[in-house]
Amino acid sequence: RKEVEQDPGPFNVPEGATVAFNCTYSNSASQSFFWYRQDCRKEPKLLMSVYSSGNEDGRFTAQLNRASQYISLLIRDSKLSDSATYLCVVKHSSASKIIFGSGTRLSIRP
Amino acid sequence: DAGVIQSPRHEVTEMGQEVTLRCKPISGHDYLFWYRQTMMRGLELLIYFNNNVPIDDSGMPEDRFSAKMPNASFSTLKIQPSEPRDSAVYFCASRGLDEKLFFGSGTQLSVL
Repeated sequence: RKEVEQDPGPFNVPEGATVAFNCTYSNSASQSFFWYRQDCRKEPKLLMSVYSSGNEDGRFTAQLNRASQYISLLIRDSKLSDSATYLCVVKHSSASKIIFGSGTRLSIRP
Repeated sequence: DAGVIQSPRHEVTEMGQEVTLRCKPISGHDYLFWYRQTMMRGLELLIYFNNNVPIDDSGMPEDRFSAKMPNASFSTLKIQPSEPRDSAVYFCASRGLDEKLFFGSGTQLSVL
């Protein structure tokens, strides 16, 4: 079983829709959580950190449930430019190891 | 700042040849990570360094793979001998105190 699990998708949704991705992690010692975005043939880039109380950045909302070891990302009013792969990322507390999920592909159609 | 710089961008080689990938992290970052990405396995952590010291190399697939960081501004990942199943995109990333990872553009490796 992979340490960070994501639904690979693809999610194909119309412009303007709301879409949500989930991610589960298995290591209870995980300390920090992030969502990265990766465009086709490009390197991953940080989208946002995920805080225990949940956090919002414009149209993007991230939630963390430590009890269930579950992270989510919600995108509201999706744009064509949101089409990408979204990677769930977990950092271990003791070892500073940073582990990536395999990513969820999102495609926004006009 | 120029960001994380990797070279070469593309490498095509024949099975059995030695391959060396290079990375220059962002100045002041004290962590450096090497990842490999394939369609089948996603982004896999190979090894990471803290202050030039290897901390965890459990992700290195075989003894054919080795990595070094002789100083704070340079790291190499070497594959010797290379095999077709090593074909992938290899990313280097560096991190400072704020835990944010910054990636290089990657090296697309093809082993024929």
